[in-house]
Amino acid sequence: DTGVSQDPRHKITKRGQNVTFRCDPISEHNRLYWYRQTLGQGPEFLTYFQNEAQLEKSRLLSDRFSAERPKGSFSTLEIQRTEQGDSAMYLCASSPGTADEQFFGPGTRLTVL
Amino acid sequence: GENVEQHPSTLSVQEGDSAVIKCTYSDSASNYFPWYKQELGKRPQLIIDIRSNVGEKKDQRIAVTLNKTAKHFSLHITETQPEDSAVYFCAASIEREKVTFGTGTKLQVIP
Repeated sequence: DTGVSQDPRHKITKRGQNVTFRCDPISEHNRLYWYRQTLGQGPEFLTYFQNEAQLEKSRLLSDRFSAERPKGSFSTLEIQRTEQGDSAMYLCASSPGTADEQFFGPGTRLTVL
Repeated sequence: GENVEQHPSTLSVQEGDSAVIKCTYSDSASNYFPWYKQELGKRPQLIIDIRSNVGEKKDQRIAVTLNKTAKHFSLHITETQPEDSAVYFCAASIEREKVTFGTGTKLQVIP
């Protein structure tokens, strides 16, 4: 499968625990985006990278959230001290530098108990 | 920042009829307008997009129109089929930056 992949697909955690998600973009896509989607809503932008540089962060991304893309390939999104309000689907997307279209991964569904 | 509004939130049509979903955006700098289809439990998938230098684009049964002056854009699906049933999101973006999504339209095509 040459599409965007995300791991894990599901994560259940207890409030206060830290979680980390991984996204592998389509090969040679230099832009990588993170979104969060709650039930019945459209995806909301969190942050995006061009290669290893983080270019923009949403106000939604509190100091408990951190994202990295150390070598300009895969990316990780970490949530520290999870809260019940963090429960959502976390979607990753990638795009080539020469086109607008963003290709989405299957998402990681986070449930915070 | 950009704000995208989408109507209606739900839409039921008979198989074979047309469906229209309308969106407005606020930021005149937006120049790329994708439409995504999302089936239950699956990832959003791009079905059609339009850039600000084009007023209309068609791909088989799907068409999108853009009115830059009014900041309106619409999705038209003709000859609807049961497999068109899904949630549709309009969105707006500036030059490959973040995409701002609408709130979604749940389309039900009744056989």
